[in-house]
Amino acid sequence: QQQVKQSPQSLIVQKGGISIINCAYENTAFDYFPWYQQFPGKGPALLIAIRPDVSEKKEGRFTISFNKSAKQFSLHIMDSQPGDSATYFCAARPNSGNTPLVFGKGTRLSVIA
Amino acid sequence: EPEVTQTPSHQVTQMGQEVILRCVPISNHLYFYWYRQILGQKVEFLVSFYNNEISEKSEIFDDQFSVERPDGSNFTLKIRSTKLEDSAMYFCASSRQATNEKLFFGSGTQLSVL
Repeated sequence: QQQVKQSPQSLIVQKGGISIINCAYENTAFDYFPWYQQFPGKGPALLIAIRPDVSEKKEGRFTISFNKSAKQFSLHIMDSQPGDSATYFCAARPNSGNTPLVFGKGTRLSVIA
Repeated sequence: EPEVTQTPSHQVTQMGQEVILRCVPISNHLYFYWYRQILGQKVEFLVSFYNNEISEKSEIFDDQFSVERPDGSNFTLKIRSTKLEDSAMYFCASSRQATNEKLFFGSGTQLSVL
């Protein structure tokens, strides 16, 4: 199944709180899992990515947690800021090479002061 | 920072008309893509392009669609006879690598078919 299921559809978080967005997949041949951030009027921009050989990757306030056995991965935004308000897409690549990314439906995050 | 440029930002057309969406990828990138996003839906792959030919295409990319790199800088998506269901945001993307990693997306063209 070439699908990535993303939840929640929308999320409201207080400033300073932790934002958590979850994705699940079925295809065990996926080997690359990026997260894209999209601000209104802009295209998606690569935020952070992980491969299945590690369980966690951290870049600044952004962390991906990866659970290979459960076929789930999540994005955690620590100390969420109003500037983090955007739509976040998880994605997965079916296998190595020039194979298109499969995207989730996106999560609209609003960080309120 | 280099970026992918798309024009126009909005395009309104009548059903059955042809539209051409234009993109200028990042100059040293070799792999080019079109994706689309219907309002409220996921980002969907349409086509990838390398070395002046299509590398991959999805089921969405039927005979009504075509892509072209007419010169060294532009990358275009043509829809020959638009349908209502073609209304979507169309994103162009480019990358240096063949592995679908580190895609750089443009800001998109919002296509509205009336």
